[in-house]
Amino acid sequence: KNQVEQSPQSLIILEGKNCTLQCNYTVSPFSNLRWYKQDTGRGPVSLTIMTFSENTKSNGRYTATLDADTKQSSLHITASQLSDSASYICVVSVRQAGTALIFGKGTTLSVSS
Amino acid sequence: EAGVTQFPSHSVIEKGQTVTLRCDPISGHDNLYWYRRVMGKEIKFLLHFVKESKQDESGMPNNRFLAERTGGTYSTLKVQPAELEDSGVYFCASTHFANTGELFFGEGSRLTVL
Repeated sequence: KNQVEQSPQSLIILEGKNCTLQCNYTVSPFSNLRWYKQDTGRGPVSLTIMTFSENTKSNGRYTATLDADTKQSSLHITASQLSDSASYICVVSVRQAGTALIFGKGTTLSVSS
Repeated sequence: EAGVTQFPSHSVIEKGQTVTLRCDPISGHDNLYWYRRVMGKEIKFLLHFVKESKQDESGMPNNRFLAERTGGTYSTLKVQPAELEDSGVYFCASTHFANTGELFFGEGSRLTVL
């Protein structure tokens, strides 16, 4: 069964600190892995998209890693800001006609001052 | 350039009533998707349009849900008659390239069925 598991479910950190969010998946055949940020009451916004051959990809203070062998990904946030408070969703794409996206439940990050 | 827009942002209806949600994708995006998130669960796929054709509707819960995309532009998702378990946030997304392209989401339509 295609599944995406994220941990932790929620996280509270102080402004300026770093954090790492985890994503494990059992999706086959794998096409790509995406991280989205979803602010409360808004739609998800894409942070990174990584294919099988990419190990790491950065978008500003966000760095995503992918280990296709162990089927794990992480999202590292550097020097967190209050505006980073959001839900971070890991999404894995199944390789097939069209797009089949399997969503994780997300990690809720709260950054406090 | 305008993003994906959805209407209404929030709808409260009684069980048995009908609701129609609308999505306007980014201009030029042939691929349009509907997703739903019920409370406490992950976002799940409902269906995928390529222009006006339904490419994949395997995620539609039952025949109370009807999606259309006449003319290949905006899309509507009708729920008739609505049930309590239909409550959730319905997201629309569009992209130029189906499998590898960045997916742009709307802000969602929150449906509450009482």
